[in-house]
Amino acid sequence: KAGVTQTPRYLIKTRGQQVTLSCSPISGHRSVSWYQQTPGQGLQFLFEYFSETQRNKGNFPGRFSGRQFSNSRSEMNVSTLELGDSALYLCASSSPDRPGTEAFFGQGTRLTVV
Amino acid sequence: AQKVTQAQTEISVVEKEDVTLDCVYETRDTTYYLFWYKQPPSGELVFLIRRNSFDEQNEISGRYSWNFQKSTSSFNFTITASQVVDSAVYFCALRRDTGKLIFGQGTTLQVKP
Repeated sequence: KAGVTQTPRYLIKTRGQQVTLSCSPISGHRSVSWYQQTPGQGLQFLFEYFSETQRNKGNFPGRFSGRQFSNSRSEMNVSTLELGDSALYLCASSSPDRPGTEAFFGQGTRLTVV
Repeated sequence: AQKVTQAQTEISVVEKEDVTLDCVYETRDTTYYLFWYKQPPSGELVFLIRRNSFDEQNEISGRYSWNFQKSTSSFNFTITASQVVDSAVYFCALRRDTGKLIFGQGTTLQVKP
């Protein structure tokens, strides 16, 4: 069974640009969550999608958005990139849809904003 | 508010030593879930164990063991006879609802040969 796949693995963008990251969950998993990891703030929750609906959202500005498709694949978009958006972005999927279910993570997309 | 604290930033041990990673959490919920994850240099978070708030049974799995104590709000993780391959960053996490995991700051474990 394939794990969570995130593409691309590495990205370099210029300040002010926008970026789209992709996440393919484990087959059959309908819950997808996104996290930002930085040395200063650690791992922070961005948002969660279930059955194409955003169910939870973290404390990030509106420049961070996401969506989920009918096949459970998810994308997150960051507009008007800032230097502080440089981070490792991790996607996780889980099933069944219960709080006690462990989340399985992808290897992440490392975004560098210059 | 919910919070997870991993007071140990970095731990260095010599191979075959036992090592315990500490985790203290804060929550007002009566039902919650605790997790440990390992992050090797590749970046992927690898799930190790979960515990729910109504199951205080501690567990041993191979070289790993966990000690969950609600009275002290602690969920500690021990590696027995550590190996170089155990070198990684270890995260403790708390979840109340579906989706959102609240992570501690992580403990970097270095196991030297």
